[in-house]
Amino acid sequence: GGIITQTPKFLIGQEGQKLTLKCQQNFNHDTMYWYRQDSGKGLRLIYYSITENDLQKGDLSEGYDASREKKSSFSLTVTSAQKNEMAVFLCASSIRGGYAEQFFGPGTRLTVL
Amino acid sequence: GEQVEQRPPHLSVREGDSAFIICTYTDSATAYFYWYKQEPGAGLQLLMSVFSNVDRKEEQGLTVLLNKKDKRLSLNLTAAHPGDSAVYFCAVSADTEGADRLTFGKGTQLIIQP
Repeated sequence: GGIITQTPKFLIGQEGQKLTLKCQQNFNHDTMYWYRQDSGKGLRLIYYSITENDLQKGDLSEGYDASREKKSSFSLTVTSAQKNEMAVFLCASSIRGGYAEQFFGPGTRLTVL
Repeated sequence: GEQVEQRPPHLSVREGDSAFIICTYTDSATAYFYWYKQEPGAGLQLLMSVFSNVDRKEEQGLTVLLNKKDKRLSLNLTAAHPGDSAVYFCAVSADTEGADRLTFGKGTQLIIQP
């Protein structure tokens, strides 16, 4: 088995601030994902990375940057936090290819004051 | 793009009864279908997945039905117990090289009453 670790668990920022969320996985998976979860809206894909050094935009990439530093880690940056923004950011990983189970981390809860 | 509607948003059933959740999707090219469970403060846990050539799949008290003609996916949870209380999400994906770009429903908050 493996585990996905997301840091920090809670993140409080100020409007306009640049904020970085980190994700580590020890499954040795090629593919990693970042999702945003808003209350009552399900999950929306922000960025994904098929392999190390690859980066693909999802449906909600505007306002975010991502970086796949190495196979086991995938970071997400909120480029300018929006006032009163509240959401949970979930990281996931899977083996490469379609129809592959995605394993999720516990999430980072973001609050912007 | 793909649109997924999930209902009901909230569902309360008595312990031992069944819970039924349904999702409809719009893209006929959708190939993969998933049901996830999310407990409070946790990530999503995969319950079941089906490929588009499967109409029915049963595992451990869960039944997934796929009606491709009507673009409808359902989850039936039989003999519910308190540990089943959680938020349930359906997700669908078309055939994408290298990765599954999932489109999620908005979730169903399921409460099991003793």
